[in-house]
Amino acid sequence: GAVVSQHPSRVICKSGTSVKIECRSLDFQATTMFWYRQFPKQSLMLMATSNEGSKATYEQGVEKDKFLINHASLTLSTLTVTSAHPEDSSFYICSARPQFPGMGENQPQHFGDGTRLSIL
Amino acid sequence: GNSVTQMEGPVTLSEEAFLTINCTYTATGYPSLFWYVQYPGEGLQLLLKATKADDKGSNKGFEATYRKETTSFHLEKGSVQVSDSAVYFCALSDPGGYNKLIFGAGTRLAVHP
Repeated sequence: GAVVSQHPSRVICKSGTSVKIECRSLDFQATTMFWYRQFPKQSLMLMATSNEGSKATYEQGVEKDKFLINHASLTLSTLTVTSAHPEDSSFYICSARPQFPGMGENQPQHFGDGTRLSIL
Repeated sequence: GNSVTQMEGPVTLSEEAFLTINCTYTATGYPSLFWYVQYPGEGLQLLLKATKADDKGSNKGFEATYRKETTSFHLEKGSVQVSDSAVYFCALSDPGGYNKLIFGAGTRLAVHP
């Protein structure tokens, strides 16, 4: 099946540090990947839509200079939390949608296992 | 705008009980509907999906039917197991925005032996 690998699974670091999270589609190509944030016992909130070779589309209220997204290839997207502070502590989850010729954009998204970010 | 409403949890059941988790949606156009499951400390796994009205998605004993007339996609299972304990999310895809997913709040299910 379609596998999405997210790394690292857990990060603990000091305030002011920048943290990079990787999201890889292991056995399929994905022109579109999504980044979500999840607070404890809450739902997933879409942060941004990442398109290979172009700028990400950010949801309203998400600071694009704070959360840098790069989607340099069809199998890799990265999220960098710049100068992280305690309020950025959260569970970050990526997803990727397989790209199959002629299948349009109706394929389901496949999710990584998430990254728990803790800023001290 | 598009939205998904799920019944609030937690839902607590005994093993082998019947499960229903209600989900209703508001959407323009013709979205696809999904149920995802999240086990503790993990990401989301696709449980089942339906892409058009009257479709029934099913997997691992769970099923849900896309009801356009009632804008619903309720999740059911005839006999739950302890291993089904998790958080269940109903979601719709937004046809107008890269088919991005809009999630419900999630419903926590706890199954006891």
